[in-house]
Amino acid sequence: DTGVSQNPRHKITKRGQNVTFRCDPISEHNRLYWYRQTLGQGPEFLTYFQNEAQLEKSRLLSDRFSAERPKGSFSTLEIQRTEQGDSAMYLCASSPLVPNEQFFGPGTRLTVL
Amino acid sequence: GDSVTQMEGPVTLSEEAFLTINCTYTATGYPSLFWYVQYPGEGLQLLLKATKADDKGSNKGFEATYRKETTSFHLEKGSVQVSDSAVYFCALSVALGTYKYIFGTGTRLKVLA
Repeated sequence: DTGVSQNPRHKITKRGQNVTFRCDPISEHNRLYWYRQTLGQGPEFLTYFQNEAQLEKSRLLSDRFSAERPKGSFSTLEIQRTEQGDSAMYLCASSPLVPNEQFFGPGTRLTVL
Repeated sequence: GDSVTQMEGPVTLSEEAFLTINCTYTATGYPSLFWYVQYPGEGLQLLLKATKADDKGSNKGFEATYRKETTSFHLEKGSVQVSDSAVYFCALSVALGTYKYIFGTGTRLKVLA
């Protein structure tokens, strides 16, 4: 049973650099979600895809953030010109169309120096 | 807007003690409610869920009842174990054209032997 996988698990970068994270959802799941979790907080929604269409974006997703799911399978989240405030755990989740029960990956921890 | 409020932690209990973690919510429409658990170094795992009023979700000895009149979904366990030490998140999904989850801030549970 393959769950949601994310790579890399950890990323350390310098301020101003670009970073890209990858998420591989559970294969039969149509929906894919990105969340951000900072220390001591619950996950906050960033965006989600249904198949290859990006259907909702949070206002947390500034124009430095872009997400894609080109073939409706894996997804990438890119952060351009990283800032120290971007340091967080980035979580990916996937779900079938019905029910909306989301399965989470282990996350990518980003540290911006 | 929609929100979830959880009791602040940490909660420290002795093994075999009774556990209650309070969760209340504010939502438009009729949300589904979830409890997720996050063990150290791991991703979020779905613990239990309830999709309509008066439903009781249960798993691994944990229970929570969807109370619409008090907008609550408190998590309970009759006898905790050291292995239950983790962070517990309450979440809701409002099925009104969006599938995102809204999470509480999490409650850390520490169980002492």
